[in-house]
This record gives sequence, structure tokens and C-alpha cells, in this order.
Amino acid sequence: DAGVTQSPTHLIKTRGQHVTLRCSPISGHKSVSWYQQVLGQGPQFIFQYYEKEERGRGNFPDRFSARQFPNYSSELNVNALLLGDSALYLCASSLRGLAGPYEQYFGPGTRLTVT
Amino acid sequence: QQQVKQSPQSLIVQKGGISIINCAYENTAFDYFPWYQQFPGKGPALLIAIRPDVSEKKEGRFTISFNKSAKQFSLHIMDSQPGDSATYFCAASEYGNKLVFGAGTILRVKS
Repeated sequence: DAGVTQSPTHLIKTRGQHVTLRCSPISGHKSVSWYQQVLGQGPQFIFQYYEKEERGRGNFPDRFSARQFPNYSSELNVNALLLGDSALYLCASSLRGLAGPYEQYFGPGTRLTVT
Repeated sequence: QQQVKQSPQSLIVQKGGISIINCAYENTAFDYFPWYQQFPGKGPALLIAIRPDVSEKKEGRFTISFNKSAKQFSLHIMDSQPGDSATYFCAASEYGNKLVFGAGTILRVKS
């Protein structure tokens, strides 16, 4: 079975632009979470979606938004890009978001570079 | 209170030795404690996880030890191999919600 897939793999954008990152969860998984990983640090939670509803939001500005589609895939949007948004953006999929099992499986990530 | 503190920052172990990484947390509502392994340029891979109702869990060469009263947990890698060289992250969550990660430990296993 395919794991979590993310696209694109790499992306280079200019300050002020916007970006859309995409994620497809493991088949049968209904919850998707987004994390930002700056080089040399642990991942930081951005959003969690379960059954197409936002279930949690991390300490990120309103420039960050996300949504989940009926097929459980998800998009992360970032507007007005800043240099500090350069990071590896990770998508994690889990079977259920509100009660066990709690395992979250990560995709390979999208490497975003803002110049 | 949401932090997970991880140590050491880096670790060098001889092949065949035991690698030990420690984590501490403050939030007593955390009820799920996974460990992830990450290779350069890749996403974190779930290695092993524990719930607070058990004090130890073993899967192959990997063991989690959990001390609820001290709010600490650790990863032991037995018979460490060069292929284990990677960055390891501990994490914690409440009810399967957001994962709070430690800062990571860079492990190098010398052959």
C-alpha cells in the first residue's frame, strides 16, 4: 500500500508570493496533520483536520490556512511568503484524529525555499 | 507546559553498543509517547510508541522505558549499527491530537 504522498517535492518561491502544498493520506486514514520543520529543529504543529473539519491549530499566523477534501486529501496554503517560511513541510496521516489509535505516519515532505 | 525536552543533542556510539536518548515532559495530560527516526531529506518514520499504562515496550532492538512519576521516557537502541545513524525525535500528544516534538538527537554509530 502507498504511504503518505506529498507534492511537490521541492519548491522555490519569492517573498510575497503564495504557495499551495498537497498531501494524500494513507488509504483509509481520515485525519491529516501539517507540520513545519525548520532545519535542525523538531517538527512544529500547524493544523490537524479530521473528517474535513479543523480539529487543531498551532501557533502560526493567519497567512497559513488549510483544508481537507471529501477524499481526505489536504492542501496547505501559505500567503505573503517570508524568508522565515523556508522549511520542510510535513504531512502526517492517522486513522482517527479524536481517539485511538494515535499513530501518525509522515510523508516525505515538501522542501520550500523562499528567496 | 507543552514542551518536550530531549537530550543529548548528539551522540556517538560504537557499533554494537547501546544508544540511549532521554526525554522529559511537563504536561500530565499527555497519553501517547512515540519515537521517530529521520534520515536526511526524508520525513520522520515512526519507530516505536508507548502509552503511560506500561513502563516498558520492546520491539526488536528498540526499547522505550517510561517513568510516569518522573515524567520521563527514554529510547534504548541495543546492538547499535551504522545504519541506525540518523536523527531521533521523541514526541508526546493528548488523545491523538497534535504531536509535540523534542529538539532531536543526532546519532552517529561508528563502525
